[in-house]
Amino acid sequence: DAGVTQSPTHLIKTRGQQVTLRCSPKSGHDTVSWYQQALGQGPQFIFQYYEEEERQRGNFPDRFSGHQFPNYSSELNVNALLLGDSALYLCASSGWAGGWQPQHFGDGTRLSIL
Amino acid sequence: TQLLEQSPQFLSIQEGENLTVYCNSSSVFSSLQWYRQEPGEGPVLLVTVVTGGEVKKLKRLTFQFGDARKDSSLHITAAQTGDTGLYLCAGVSGTASKLTFGTGTRLQVTL
Repeated sequence: DAGVTQSPTHLIKTRGQQVTLRCSPKSGHDTVSWYQQALGQGPQFIFQYYEEEERQRGNFPDRFSGHQFPNYSSELNVNALLLGDSALYLCASSGWAGGWQPQHFGDGTRLSIL
Repeated sequence: TQLLEQSPQFLSIQEGENLTVYCNSSSVFSSLQWYRQEPGEGPVLLVTVVTGGEVKKLKRLTFQFGDARKDSSLHITAAQTGDTGLYLCAGVSGTASKLTFGTGTRLQVTL
C-alpha cells in the first residue's frame, strides 16, 4: 500500500522562475494539504484541496496556487520565486469524514532558490 | 494567529535518561497531535489526544493533553538513540482540518 508520494525530491531554481510540485495521496485518501517547512522550523499550512477545490488557505500570497485532479493527486505551483521560498514542501493526505482525520505526510520536495 | 510554542528548542542527552518536551498555546485546540520527523523525511504521526486531561502511553512515550486543551507534553523514559529526531506538536481547531504546527524540539540521544 503506497503512502504519500511527492516528486521531484529535490529541485533547484533561480529567482523569478516558476515551479510545479506534485503529490499523489495515500490510497483511499481524497483530501490533500500542502505545507512549507523552512529550515529548523515547523511546517506552515499553505492550502488544502478536496473535491478539486481549494477548501482552506493559510497566510501565503497568491504566487502560491494549486490544483487537484479527479484522481485526487495534486500540484503546488509557485510563481515569481523568491529566495525566501527555499524550503521543504510537504504534502499530506487524509480522508474526509466531516471532521478531522489523521494526515499522512510524504517525504517532501526540497526546493532551493539561487 | 494561533501559535504553538515548544520547549526546549534543542535537547542533547545520553541514552537511558528521561526527558520532557512541552507544547504551549494561548488558544484552545479540539485535538493535538505529536509527530516525529527524521532528516530527509516527512513527519510521522505518533499520537492524537482529544480530551482535556487525557494521557496516552506508547511504549516509553507518554503524552498528556492539558485540562484546558491549550497545552501538551511528551515524556520519554529511558531514551534510546533511535529516539533522535525533530518532535513536532500540531493542533487542530474546531471544524478546520488544517494543522497548526509548533516550533519543534530537536532531540539528540547519544551513547
